Amino acid sequence: SSELTQDPAVSVALGQTVRITCQGDSLRSYYASWYQQKPGQAPVLVIYGKNNRPSGIPDRFSGSSSGNTASLTITGAQAEDEADYYCNSRDSSGNLVVFGGGTKLTVL
Amino acid sequence: EVQLVESGGGLVQPGGSLKLSCAASGFTFSGSAMHWVRQASGKGLEWVGRIRSKANSYATAYAASVKGRFTISRDDSKNTAYLQMNSLKTEDTAVYYCTRHQAAAGTGRGINWFDPWGQGTLVTVSS
Repeated sequence: SSELTQDPAVSVALGQTVRITCQGDSLRSYYASWYQQKPGQAPVLVIYGKNNRPSGIPDRFSGSSSGNTASLTITGAQAEDEADYYCNSRDSSGNLVVFGGGTKLTVL
Repeated sequence: EVQLVESGGGLVQPGGSLKLSCAASGFTFSGSAMHWVRQASGKGLEWVGRIRSKANSYATAYAASVKGRFTISRDDSKNTAYLQMNSLKTEDTAVYYCTRHQAAAGTGRGINWFDPWGQGTLVTVSS
């Protein structure tokens, strides 16, 4: 079982805002990083650290953290944002790595 | 261009072995920790293990599901990381990705991320 918990599925209307959450004890010590994965493709980093976006990631993607919960927010969701999203952090020991179970985002 | 390219996947019988390679370019491979992550069809991402840099004694760590069966190594002269998989089980069937780990000091919390990722290589364990 994963030490990071995500909702399995979330939907959002086109152009609206959606928040995807990730919960885990290790998030009190480590920021989550977030990855977007479209069918048949490798994961792509979208957010890391407090709220950092790699080059090429649209600014509608943002991240936040509070307590044991990390959130990925998409402000003004686009059709191309429909994908699976995974959070990631170290485990409670700090030595290993864990991924959340993933959230399937549907843009209606 | 920063790039990772995996190779070596294929069909193997249960109990067999396979060695995957991950060729890196466009960044300082020798100073980077390299990780392997797998994904069974229709399932989520599962961390497999990692190898740190020479400066960190090439330290390795593995997920409980593969510990004792899988071994990660690297050849910095070839900018390549490897995943040796022994005693393979049907449940090891997955796409295997290699990825570069990066870290930074944060205020109050550690910062870790994986970028880039390779395109993945499919390993099928079946009789």
